[in-house]
Amino acid sequence: DIQMTQSPSSLSASVGDRVTITCRASLNIQNYLNWCQQKPGKAPELLIHRASSLHSGVPSRFSGSGSGTDFTLTISSLQPEDFATYYCQQSFSLPYTFGQGTRVELK
Amino acid sequence: QVQLRESGPGLVKPSETLSLTCAVSGVSIRSYYWSWIRQSPGKGLEWLGYIYYSVTTNYNPSLRGRLSLSVDTSKNHVSLRLNSVTTADTATYYCAREAYGENWLDPWGQGTLVTVSS
Repeated sequence: DIQMTQSPSSLSASVGDRVTITCRASLNIQNYLNWCQQKPGKAPELLIHRASSLHSGVPSRFSGSGSGTDFTLTISSLQPEDFATYYCQQSFSLPYTFGQGTRVELK
Repeated sequence: QVQLRESGPGLVKPSETLSLTCAVSGVSIRSYYWSWIRQSPGKGLEWLGYIYYSVTTNYNPSLRGRLSLSVDTSKNHVSLRLNSVTTADTATYYCAREAYGENWLDPWGQGTLVTVSS
């Protein structure tokens, strides 16, 4: 299985901050990398697919980059509704695997 | 608008079979892949497997042959059966859609919590 490692596991930030989360794959997954957001008690929701394509309806303050093994999710200006847990997920090969998550908390 | 809703018993005894249903509305289940994913505090998000219109299934080897997925086109729903459950199978179970060639999961159902306990 492909191992996905996110960092940091958690971070504290303020509204308006720029936030960056990284995800590393254990082997080259090209751009088969998706990001999702999960709020407490809710299901994950897709934010970005294929490493950098913003999913329909997702605010433009979210962006993704990277290819191969190293990927980044950036929130350009953190909003109150963005405090959540973020997961990366590879879809390069089965079984699909997820990172352990990054919890974004209010400072 | 596509909606997915999981349902099933919230409590299952060890060694028994866990059965869940994902009711799909807004789209025909014939046209997409349907994945099941679970989330437990100890293991995070774990992809369990997918099914495509009873033609193709793929299961996570970690489940060691305990998982079976099926579709009912007359009811437009997808079913999961996980046998010989243990407390390690306690989790929230989600179903999610994947379009052919798109390689991402969207949308997800709201999830259903299953506890394995005697």
